[in-house]
Amino acid sequence: DADVTQTPRNRITKTGKRIMLECSQTKGHDRMYWYRQDPGLGLQLIYYSFDVKDINKGEISDGYSVSRQAQAKFSLSLESAIPNQTALYFCATSDTSTGELFFGEGSRLTVL
Amino acid sequence: DQQVKQNSPSLSVQEGRISILNCDYTNSMFDYFLWYKKYPAEGPTFLISISSIKDKNEDGRFTVFLNKSAKHLSLHIVPSQPGDSAVYFCAASGVSSGSARQLTFGSGTQLTVLP
Repeated sequence: DADVTQTPRNRITKTGKRIMLECSQTKGHDRMYWYRQDPGLGLQLIYYSFDVKDINKGEISDGYSVSRQAQAKFSLSLESAIPNQTALYFCATSDTSTGELFFGEGSRLTVL
Repeated sequence: DQQVKQNSPSLSVQEGRISILNCDYTNSMFDYFLWYKKYPAEGPTFLISISSIKDKNEDGRFTVFLNKSAKHLSLHIVPSQPGDSAVYFCAASGVSSGSARQLTFGSGTQLTVLP
């Protein structure tokens, strides 16, 4: 089983709909992240959380919100999806000492 | 403004030859550098890293070189194999306020190793 699990893996939705992407981890890391990948832009940080009570905005947080339900769970929500939020989304956890990230397999979201 | 730049979106190399992937950074506070590899339909996976106190780190066929004065690092793969075909991301981190390390990623280079 993967250490970092994302659901759903693929989702197609319509403009204006609310979408939640879920992430769970078994690595025991306190730090969790949500990134999005767009062609030619690499990985951009949306939100990150250093523990259950700590939530921080990343580079591109507008239009997104997150919830850290437990150490092992970190979900990303799009309150009202728009087409330019079509992307591949990755959840990750990190090793505190080096910042090395461990990624989930990704959630491909298409907003029509 | 991109703090980590991978100027080559793609690279093709013949099997058995050397692959050299380049990365430049602008933030002088970066002191730890990593390369990630990503296959289609999978998440990125850690490949190799280097601390700023070193100028070279080797792991099997993979070697990362760091030139701090030029703010440049490169990943060498020798010999290249078809299974190395993937997107390679360069990433950098430094100690920011509150000692919170975060990674900043480059845009990636698609490596294709031709049989």
